[in-house]
Amino acid sequence: DIQMTQSPSTLSASVGDRVTITCRASQSISYWLAWYQQKPGKAPKVLIYEASTLESGVPSRFSGSGSGTEFTLTISSLQPDDFASYYCQQYNSYSGITFGQGTRLEIK
Amino acid sequence: EVQLVESGGVVVQPGGSLRLSCAASGFTFEDYTMHWVRQVPGKGLDWVSLISWDSVTAYYADSVKGRFTISRENSKNSLYLQMNSLRSEDTALYYCAKDRRTSGWSYFDYWGQGILVTVSS
Repeated sequence: DIQMTQSPSTLSASVGDRVTITCRASQSISYWLAWYQQKPGKAPKVLIYEASTLESGVPSRFSGSGSGTEFTLTISSLQPDDFASYYCQQYNSYSGITFGQGTRLEIK
Repeated sequence: EVQLVESGGVVVQPGGSLRLSCAASGFTFEDYTMHWVRQVPGKGLDWVSLISWDSVTAYYADSVKGRFTISRENSKNSLYLQMNSLRSEDTALYYCAKDRRTSGWSYFDYWGQGILVTVSS
């Protein structure tokens, strides 16, 4: 199975900051990676798919990059609504589905 | 509007069985791969199982293989998860999720609100 390692597990930042979350795969997954945002008591919401494609309706301050084994989610200018947990998910066809362990983005 | 509504969650004893249901609406259910994903409260997401649109293909996480069975009834726009030999570590919020693709699998574009399953004596 492919393991997904996210870092950091917790990130403290302020409104207006640029933040980056990293996800590393234990083997190449090409660009078969999605990013989700989850707020307390709510289901996850997809932000990015195929590593860098923004889901419809998601603000452009969110962006994704990477391929192979290393991926990043960047929020260019943090807004109050962005403080939440973030998860990466790989969906390589030959290796099933796995999530990263999550990153909690909190207000500094 | 796409809606996924889970039901069937209760408190069950270790070793017991439970069947979760997910009622889908707002899209052509029979066209899409569907999934179950679980989350221990306060912890991360854990993929459980998927089933293809035609029920031909079903995959399971190693942690539930041989104990859980996923199924669907396209005529009723419904997804199910039969859970047997339940363990305390199966305690979680279980989400029904729709795949973006109509073949194979990919990412989840819609999720239900989740249903809590508690395994405890």
